[in-house]
Amino acid sequence: DVKVTQSSRYLVKRTGEKVFLECVQDMDHENMFWYRQDPGLGLRLIYFSYDVKMKEKGDIPEGYSVSREKKERFSLILESASTNQTSMYLCASSFVQLNSPLHFGNGTRLTVT
Amino acid sequence: LAKTTQPISMDSYEGQEVNITCSHNNIATNDYITWYQQFPSQGPRFIIQGYKTKVTNEVASLFIPADRKSSTLSLPRVSLSDTAVYYCLVVSNYGGSQGNLIFGKGTKLSVKP
Repeated sequence: DVKVTQSSRYLVKRTGEKVFLECVQDMDHENMFWYRQDPGLGLRLIYFSYDVKMKEKGDIPEGYSVSREKKERFSLILESASTNQTSMYLCASSFVQLNSPLHFGNGTRLTVT
Repeated sequence: LAKTTQPISMDSYEGQEVNITCSHNNIATNDYITWYQQFPSQGPRFIIQGYKTKVTNEVASLFIPADRKSSTLSLPRVSLSDTAVYYCLVVSNYGGSQGNLIFGKGTKLSVKP
């Protein structure tokens, strides 16, 4: 069974801190994605990666960066956390084929104070 | 990229059939239609996917008319445990792979006893 593991379930950080959210998948998936989910706004795509060291911007990349040094790991970085980045962050992965479903982790609830 | 529109919420009773329709007017020739289910405090879970006509699995059926500008997720005889948010997603070709996967706001289904 596919497993997508996000390093923290809950995280509390202060404004201005640099924050790392880690995601690891165990199915050798080529694609990996980072979404944020806010009430009334659904899921919004931040960044995705279709290969090691490759990244593409999603809908809302501002204030975020990503790193994919290994195929199984995709990190989301908040360079200087702000209160408007308080949200649920969801990582997902999939094979490269067009009809390959996404597999999601259970999310990291980040609070920036 | 095909934008999707679906109802914000729906109510149903146990044992009824539920149909959730999604509009995707500018779907492209090679795009797939995918549905996900999300329970509170969990990441979305793949339910079903289709390209045209009808697809059925052990969980749901997906009906896609010939023009493919809409699709309908059908849940037979729902139970309380089907209470969740349902997302319609159009998967677009991105250089031969899927990328920039845009979720809408989803439909919150509430099943009552």
